[in-house]
Amino acid sequence: GAGVSQSPSNKVTEKGKDVELRCDPISGHTALYWYRQSLGQGLEFLIYFQGNSAPDKSGLPSDRFSAERTGGSVSTLTIQRTQQEDSAVYLCASSDGTFYGYTFGSGTRLTVV
Amino acid sequence: AQSVSQHNHHVILSEAASLELGCNYSYGGTVNLFWYVQYPGQHLQLLLKYFSGDPLVKGIKGFEAEFIKSKFSFNLRKPSVQWSDTAEYFCAVKNQAGTALIFGKGTTLSVSS
Repeated sequence: GAGVSQSPSNKVTEKGKDVELRCDPISGHTALYWYRQSLGQGLEFLIYFQGNSAPDKSGLPSDRFSAERTGGSVSTLTIQRTQQEDSAVYLCASSDGTFYGYTFGSGTRLTVV
Repeated sequence: AQSVSQHNHHVILSEAASLELGCNYSYGGTVNLFWYVQYPGQHLQLLLKYFSGDPLVKGIKGFEAEFIKSKFSFNLRKPSVQWSDTAEYFCAVKNQAGTALIFGKGTTLSVSS
C-alpha cells in the first residue's frame, strides 16, 4: 500500500485481557519497527524485524509482550494479560533498510481499563 | 545506553518569531541524526536527517538543523515560524547496533497567529 497501515486505530480492553495489534508495512519494505508512545515519554523502541526475524527485541518491556512477522510483511504485536500501564499509542514503522526511509503508521491507541 | 535529550518540553511563539529547539545525544562515535514532526492528528513525518558531510542540514518547510560534534548537539531551527508549524517535534539518533532509532521525549511547539 501507499503507507503503513495499523489496525485497530483504537482499542479499549479490560485489565487482564490479551490484545493483538496489527501492522501492514509499505510493500517491499524489509525492515519493520514497533514503538510505544506514552504521554510525556516520547517514543520507546520495542522491537525490530528484518524480514521475518527479529534481531533486536531488546525494547520489549516484559514477557507479556511478543511480536511476530509473517511473509516478510504483516506484523502482529501481542500483549498478554494487559495492565493499565500498557495504555499508550503503539506505533509501527517500516523502511527499506537504509534508514533513509522510515515511515510511521498512525498508530493504535490502547486503553486498558 | 544511548540517549537523546530535548531540553524544551513546551515552546510557545508568535508567528514570525525565530525557533530553535535543542537536542543533545549521548553517543560519541559516528552518528545518524533525525528530526521528526507530528502535526495534530497526523502520523510522524521526517523533517530532516544528518548522515555525514555538511553539518548544516536543510529539511522540508524551511527547517534546518546544525550538527555540532563537539557539543553532541543537533538543534533544529527555523527563521520565521508559522501557525501551521504547531506540532510536536522529536529528535532521534540511530542506535549503535544500527537496528533502531532512539527518540527524545519531544518538544511541543505552539504558534499563535
